[in-house]
Amino acid sequence: GQQVMQIPQYQHVQEGEDFTTYCNSSTTLSNIQWYKQRPGGHPVFLIQLVKSGEVKKQKRLTFQFGEAKKNSSLHITATQTTDVGTYFCAGSEGFYKLSFGAGTTVTVRA
Amino acid sequence: GAGVSQSPSNKVTEKGKDVELRCDPISGHTALYWYRQSLGQGLEFLIYFQGNSAPDKSGLPSDRFSAERTGGSVSTLTIQRTQQEDSAVYLCASSPSGGTSTDTQYFGPGTRLTVL
Repeated sequence: GQQVMQIPQYQHVQEGEDFTTYCNSSTTLSNIQWYKQRPGGHPVFLIQLVKSGEVKKQKRLTFQFGEAKKNSSLHITATQTTDVGTYFCAGSEGFYKLSFGAGTTVTVRA
Repeated sequence: GAGVSQSPSNKVTEKGKDVELRCDPISGHTALYWYRQSLGQGLEFLIYFQGNSAPDKSGLPSDRFSAERTGGSVSTLTIQRTQQEDSAVYLCASSPSGGTSTDTQYFGPGTRLTVL
């Protein structure tokens, strides 16, 4: 079945630095969604990418969907303490079901 | 309500007991999903409801797990004869229409289940 892999599992970042987390699928995806879960909280929807090669930005966050629609990335610039949490990608082959990656847990050193 | 609500927020039970977890989706949302999140892990899909019917139960780990949804609204996830490996956070999500992956899923706060 469909598998979605995320790397790295943990990301320790100095405040102000940039980092990227990657998401890879074993199958071609119809779309991919990104969610953020703050410590002790629940996943909250960030964005959805649908088109091949699509790039979307939300302030310091840049999301990209690969040309083959099998991978995605989230790049955060000038990391802040508010960026702490776990970022999940979730991919779908076109129906209701989302397959979530294991997440990248981000900690920030002030 | 304004968002998805779940109850209880925490549940501690003894091995072998049955538990019921409740989810109140956002009013008007047709689709409802249950996930399980073990410590430090991603979200494991359990079951999907479209209205009152469950077209996909493929994620339920064993026949000890069951779920129902009544009136197209509230859903209950029941775990019978709980085992220690059932300990996890159980998350419920709803989406406006379901049937398509492009729906945004809105998550509840989860129920943290601990089986002693």
